[in-house]
Amino acid sequence: QVTLRESGPALVKPTQTLTLTCTFSGFSLNTGKMCLSWIRQPPGKGLEWLALIDWDDDKYYSTSLRTRLTISKGASKNQVVLTMTNMDPADTATYYCARIRDGFYGGEDHWGQGTLVTVSS
Amino acid sequence: SYELTQSLSVSVALGQTARITCGGSNIGSKRVHWYQQKSGQAPVLVIYRDDNRPSGIPDRFSGFNSGNTAALTISGAQAGDDADYYCQVWDSDTERVFGGGTKLTVL
Repeated sequence: QVTLRESGPALVKPTQTLTLTCTFSGFSLNTGKMCLSWIRQPPGKGLEWLALIDWDDDKYYSTSLRTRLTISKGASKNQVVLTMTNMDPADTATYYCARIRDGFYGGEDHWGQGTLVTVSS
Repeated sequence: SYELTQSLSVSVALGQTARITCGGSNIGSKRVHWYQQKSGQAPVLVIYRDDNRPSGIPDRFSGFNSGNTAALTISGAQAGDDADYYCQVWDSDTERVFGGGTKLTVL
């Protein structure tokens, strides 16, 4: 059974760095064609893709947020970490992690429940 | 960067067929995925690679992609299909892009 769970602070201050962890089970990110994405959704708005890490540890980022994002495999082999620097109230959103099983041309077939991050002083 | 255009809203009568479109430059050359998101829930993949259904997705859901338009069709719409729907592609081997989303209302 595939599960994903996002964790991190619910509240961050403007200019701070956000660190989110995706803890997953039921698959290995070291398996060929396996990828993991981070996606966010501001309240009442649409989905925005942020970053992806693949089975070969290659990383891909949203063009518009690339300078602020870092995705990496965690210390535990079943974790992926996303950091976003210089947080702003406009970054208030629910942040999701999701698995892609069939490489870059596959869809995100399992999602975490999401974690709401509010940016406010 | 690549842009995907979706209608803000679509309405369909109960039991009828709904068609949700996703426009993009030469989108037919890309592989399109569709997600359903019900209120307060995480998205669910309903179509991948243009016209494939994940296990557990009813065959009422189908997809098509050609030219500059991709489409998600829901046959025999049910009350439970009332949701937001998003299309998505992998662009230029560098990033994933979502459409703005379409709110489907089943009347």
